[in-house]
Amino acid sequence: AIRMTQSPSSLSASTGDRVTITCRASQGISSYLAWYQQKPGKAPKLLIYAASTLQSGVPSRFSGSGSGTDFTLTISCLQSEDFATYYCQQYYSYPLAFGQGTKVEIK
Amino acid sequence: EVQLVQSGAEVKKPGATVKISCKVSGYTFTDYYMHWVQQAPGKGLEWMGLVDPEDGETIYAEKFQGRVTITADTSTDTAYMELSSLRSEDTAVYYCATGFYGNAFDIWGQGTMVTVSS
Repeated sequence: AIRMTQSPSSLSASTGDRVTITCRASQGISSYLAWYQQKPGKAPKLLIYAASTLQSGVPSRFSGSGSGTDFTLTISCLQSEDFATYYCQQYYSYPLAFGQGTKVEIK
Repeated sequence: EVQLVQSGAEVKKPGATVKISCKVSGYTFTDYYMHWVQQAPGKGLEWMGLVDPEDGETIYAEKFQGRVTITADTSTDTAYMELSSLRSEDTAVYYCATGFYGNAFDIWGQGTMVTVSS
């Protein structure tokens, strides 16, 4: 089974900051990677799929990059509504797998 | 509007079985796999398995194999997830989810809280 490892597990940032979250797969997954945002008490929301394709309606300050085993999610200018937990997910092979999450908190 | 609407919260005793439903609307049920994801309190997301509503084929995560059964009823456009031999560690929110972009999930149900307690 493919394991997904995110770093950091949490970070503190201020509004306006540039934030980068990393996701590493235990084996190559091509570009079969998605990123989600989850707020407390809510279902996750798809931000990016195919490693770098922005889901419709998602602000352009979110971007994704990478292929193979190493991926990044970047928020170019953090807004107040972006404080949440972010997960990566591989969908290259079964079992599907999520990273452990990165909590973005207010500094 | 595409929607997945799940059944309500459940409280079960250890050893019992829970069955959660996920009613689909706004798209053709048989066109996309339906997945189930577990989230324990304060924890991350864990994929449980999927059903292909077209033919009923299933794939389960090893962790849940033998205890989980995922089905699809095409007459009512509803997917089900049944988890048996419940234990306290199964206390969690369970989500159904589907994806129009392979197995990236762009549509989620609202979640169903299952509490396992004696």
